[in-house]
Amino acid sequence: GDSVTQMEGPVTLSEEAFLTINCTYTATGYPSLFWYVQYPGEGLQLLLKATKADDKGSNKGFEATYRKETTSFHLEKGSVQVSDSAVYFCALLKGAQKLVFGQGTRLTINP
Amino acid sequence: NAGVTQTPKFQVLKTGQSMTLQCAQDMNHEYMSWYRQDPGMGLRLIHYSVGAGITDQGEVPNGYNVSRSTTEDFPLRLLSAAPSQTSVYFCASSFDRVTDTQYFGPGTRLTVL
Repeated sequence: GDSVTQMEGPVTLSEEAFLTINCTYTATGYPSLFWYVQYPGEGLQLLLKATKADDKGSNKGFEATYRKETTSFHLEKGSVQVSDSAVYFCALLKGAQKLVFGQGTRLTINP
Repeated sequence: NAGVTQTPKFQVLKTGQSMTLQCAQDMNHEYMSWYRQDPGMGLRLIHYSVGAGITDQGEVPNGYNVSRSTTEDFPLRLLSAAPSQTSVYFCASSFDRVTDTQYFGPGTRLTVL
């Protein structure tokens, strides 16, 4: 079945460091791919998305490129801030409302 | 717009009790879903609906019932709560079936003793 695998957390970085959170997926066809972010005590918010191969999603300095050849959708940011501390979820969408999530990666940024 | 709202925010139940988690959205979205979030497992789909009167099972439907009598509301019922249902529950909605964003509610933290 469809699945999403994220790098194990937690991840701890210093402010202004470069961030990469790996995400790979297994699916038939060409699903839409998403990164969601969950700040402490809140629900999930869409961070960025890509709907077809080679698309790049971007938002708030974060980027991810849909790589069909490697079935990956890695999240990157060039210079993280303390306010980026959160849990990040990679997900794919297959069919109506069927989001399949990775296990989440907790990110902590120290000043 | 209030977006997606969920009540209650917190709930403690005893094994065997029943309850309904409420979810409402004011964005006229056709698609709504319920997920549960457990440590180290991400979010898993419980039930979903593609419109009023239409519901279907997700990945982990056992122990839960849903109905969709209106576009706005999508309640989740636990008929006989079990400790394995201790989790954080999120409701989500979206306008389009394939590529559109799902909007999540703030969640309900449920503990079953």
